[in-house]
Amino acid sequence: GAGVSQSPSNKVTEKGKDVELRCDPISGHTALYWYRQRLGQGLEFLIYFQGNSAPDKSGLPSDRFSAERTGESVSTLTIQRTQQEDSAVYLCASSLIGALQGGGYTFGSGTRLTVV
Amino acid sequence: GQNIDQPTEMTATEGAIVQINCTYQTSGFNGLFWYQQHAGEAPTFLSYNVLDGLEEKGRFSSFLSRSKGYSYLLLKELQMKDSASYLCAVPGSNYQLIWGAGTKLIIKP
Repeated sequence: GAGVSQSPSNKVTEKGKDVELRCDPISGHTALYWYRQRLGQGLEFLIYFQGNSAPDKSGLPSDRFSAERTGESVSTLTIQRTQQEDSAVYLCASSLIGALQGGGYTFGSGTRLTVV
Repeated sequence: GQNIDQPTEMTATEGAIVQINCTYQTSGFNGLFWYQQHAGEAPTFLSYNVLDGLEEKGRFSSFLSRSKGYSYLLLKELQMKDSASYLCAVPGSNYQLIWGAGTKLIIKP
């Protein structure tokens, strides 16, 4: 598509429930990133996918967090047994190869997750 | 390790000029990015510097000094719509960007 698409745009869930967030990157972008941004704070790296290589999961905060990506298409971020501290905006970004290429990322508009 | 510092908040007047600084420490260097993020929106790409010096792009310019680990974003002829957070970022070791916490710029009439 023309841009990075994320869904849902807003999600309110009860503590303890599982949620699934979706990201549809720009067609042809091999790199895909998930970030978390808490209110008034910077971007926190979660996970990075590059083509068919093993993903870099070093930023996932706990084993309740997981993500998948099929080839170079859609990615889903799953949070199990949500906690209130998971409340944040979850941003997805994609790029042609990697950020080192200088093209930067294109971000989706994010999913605002609220755990009550 | 890698570390990025930028001021938390700055205030400027409409029509004026403002300079937002960013200092970084990184084990290697592969460029520096500036992004703009309006409240409630996703960050958008502003500039990328890999060589020393000033790069101008309309009202916005970005400067880099690799020897000093220093960059700044210069915004001229400020407009109310420039009120946003400005994020500085450098590539990390695994092709992902390391982000500063951002500088919230408040423009007053």
